[in-house]
Amino acid sequence: EIVLTQSPGTLSLSPGERATLPCRASQSISNNRLAWFQQKPGQAPRLLIYDASTRATGTPDRFSGSGSETDFTLTISRLEPEDFAVYYCQQYYNSPRTFGQGTRVEIK
Amino acid sequence: QVQLQQSGPGLVKPSQTLSLTCAISGDSVSSISSAWDWFRQSPSRGLEWLGRTYYRSKWYHEYAVSVESRITVNPDTSKNQFSLQLNSVTPEDTAVYFCARDNCATGVCYPNDSWGQGTLVTVSS
Repeated sequence: EIVLTQSPGTLSLSPGERATLPCRASQSISNNRLAWFQQKPGQAPRLLIYDASTRATGTPDRFSGSGSETDFTLTISRLEPEDFAVYYCQQYYNSPRTFGQGTRVEIK
Repeated sequence: QVQLQQSGPGLVKPSQTLSLTCAISGDSVSSISSAWDWFRQSPSRGLEWLGRTYYRSKWYHEYAVSVESRITVNPDTSKNQFSLQLNSVTPEDTAVYFCARDNCATGVCYPNDSWGQGTLVTVSS
């Protein structure tokens, strides 16, 4: 199975700052079948980005995804108060689909 | 707008069967452009895919290797829902369980674009 590594586990940033969240895959993910999810406490994950760089319906344009093969990045251009949450990358290129362990974006 | 509503007990005894149901509104369990997943989330295992069912002229089922000897995911077309059964549970199966939809339409796939609210299932005597 494809292992996804997200590091660091926690990012401490201030509102208005830029957040850069990396995700590295143990093998190449063809067709950029990589998604990003946001999860807040007590809630289900919410799809933000699919196909590595396409925003899902309702995702603000301050969120952007980039990358290919084994290296992917989620960027939040200017952090809003509601963006402080945990972010997961997920590959859906092959089965089983797998998630990274998540990066928590916390208020500095 | 698709909505998924989970139901089922929050406490299961060791060696017994965990059973959860996910009721679908705004889509059909038989849709040929959707697939229906179960995930769980725990501090020790993170987010983990467990299994899925989908209809493409016939019903298909796929399961994670880690649970394939114990799991069944079934559709219920009469109630437009799908279910998870996990047999012979142990405390290691304690987690928040989620159902979710995969949606592929007109060649574009939206992975897990809708989720249930989550159910905390504790395995304890």
